[in-house]
Amino acid sequence: GAVVSQHPSWVICKSGTSVKIECRSLDFQATTMFWYRQFPKQSLMLMATSNEGSKATYEQGVEKDKFLINHASLTLSTLTVTSAHPEDSSFYICSASRAGVFNEQFFGPGTRLTVL
Amino acid sequence: QKEVEQDPGPLSVPEGAIVSLNCTYSNSAFQYFMWYRQYSRKGPELLMYTYSSGNKEDGRFTAQVDKSSKYISLFIRDSQPSDSATYLCAMSASKAAGNKLTFGGGTRVLVKP
Repeated sequence: GAVVSQHPSWVICKSGTSVKIECRSLDFQATTMFWYRQFPKQSLMLMATSNEGSKATYEQGVEKDKFLINHASLTLSTLTVTSAHPEDSSFYICSASRAGVFNEQFFGPGTRLTVL
Repeated sequence: QKEVEQDPGPLSVPEGAIVSLNCTYSNSAFQYFMWYRQYSRKGPELLMYTYSSGNKEDGRFTAQVDKSSKYISLFIRDSQPSDSATYLCAMSASKAAGNKLTFGGGTRVLVKP
């Protein structure tokens, strides 16, 4: 149990285009989902916390107009990187917390974004 | 100074050896401690979850928490090449679902056959 999927696993796009990444909890309801960014050989950097049905809370320094987060249901959150640039190239990982349980987070497999 | 410090490694050990990992932290409010394993280009996988001070054992893994020293450890006995990965410690002040975690930078471990 507690499986989280992400789609796509790998995406290449041209500079200036937008890319949407989906995060799904497959066998549980996730009231909260988190979006992280990870550069090579570095740790996870929390970008935002997303609660179902409400606006995401962004970490300091993360542009909310550039990284649009939608958490429309208890099993799906999306991250849209708008007007992507090469510096947005990174590994994006989502995680989810189960409602009513401890604060352990279950991570998706990640999405590798390359912006040309 | 980072809230959670973790030696980046790499830590190289021969197969069968004990792997010893640790993190130090500065926020005395942290009470919930986790260890995650992350293989290259994959999402982290939860290994151990502990609350407050003490030890917890699960198979080849033992987690220790010393809140007085603000120091946590993870030991891996009888290490295998498949244990080669990056190990991340994480911690939180609250157990409430949805509470964000503070991660260490991760330690890369290499177990050589």
